[in-house]
Amino acid sequence: QVQLQESGPGVVKPSQTLSLTCTVSGGSITSGAYSWSWIRQHPGKGLEWIGYIYNSGSTHYNPSLKSRVTISVDTSDNQSSLKLNSVTAADTAVYYCARGWFGEPIWFDPWGQGTLVTVSS
Amino acid sequence: QSVLTQPPSVSGAPGQRVTISCTGSSSNIGARYDVHWYQQLPGTAPKLLIFGNINRPSGVPDRFSGSKSGTSASLAITGLQAEDEADYYCQSYDSSLTVVFGGGTKLTVL
Repeated sequence: QVQLQESGPGVVKPSQTLSLTCTVSGGSITSGAYSWSWIRQHPGKGLEWIGYIYNSGSTHYNPSLKSRVTISVDTSDNQSSLKLNSVTAADTAVYYCARGWFGEPIWFDPWGQGTLVTVSS
Repeated sequence: QSVLTQPPSVSGAPGQRVTISCTGSSSNIGARYDVHWYQQLPGTAPKLLIFGNINRPSGVPDRFSGSKSGTSASLAITGLQAEDEADYYCQSYDSSLTVVFGGGTKLTVL
């Protein structure tokens, strides 16, 4: 079955760009009518949707983060990527990637194990 | 402040039934958007529990069930087991063009 694994720096300096990669295994990132999503969880808090990208390349971002977020897909490496620029301490969180299923609305399954990113100088 | 409101905590004894509510508004759940539920065991990633209000993915026990009415949805767990102790999140969509999650409910098995 499809599995997802996030990777990237665990510490990012304020004002810099957070860059994470989600590697998809057990299936092609281009197969099926799925989207590839990013969701984060601040320490001890609930879940916050960041955005997703469809195989077509179209994206949908959380309006509150839209100005700072870019999600892309690299089909040759079977990966999805998240870039969040101009980070502050408020961006410290566990970042999850997840496969999105078409629905009204989209739901997420499976999820990666998550990676903690700390914004600190 | 989450767009979808869940009780911070619920508890029950083994074997009992508990319900977790998810209250929204006319711009999300009441706007005919479905509700999905996730279970997050301590220290792990969320796992899909219910999709499309009432549907269980393969492998999810039928002790878990979902329902939706008006601007609210509920997750019911019957025959409570110690392994059910986790955080539970509802998820839907808001007309402000945002995927929204509830604030989460911590289930304690007494």
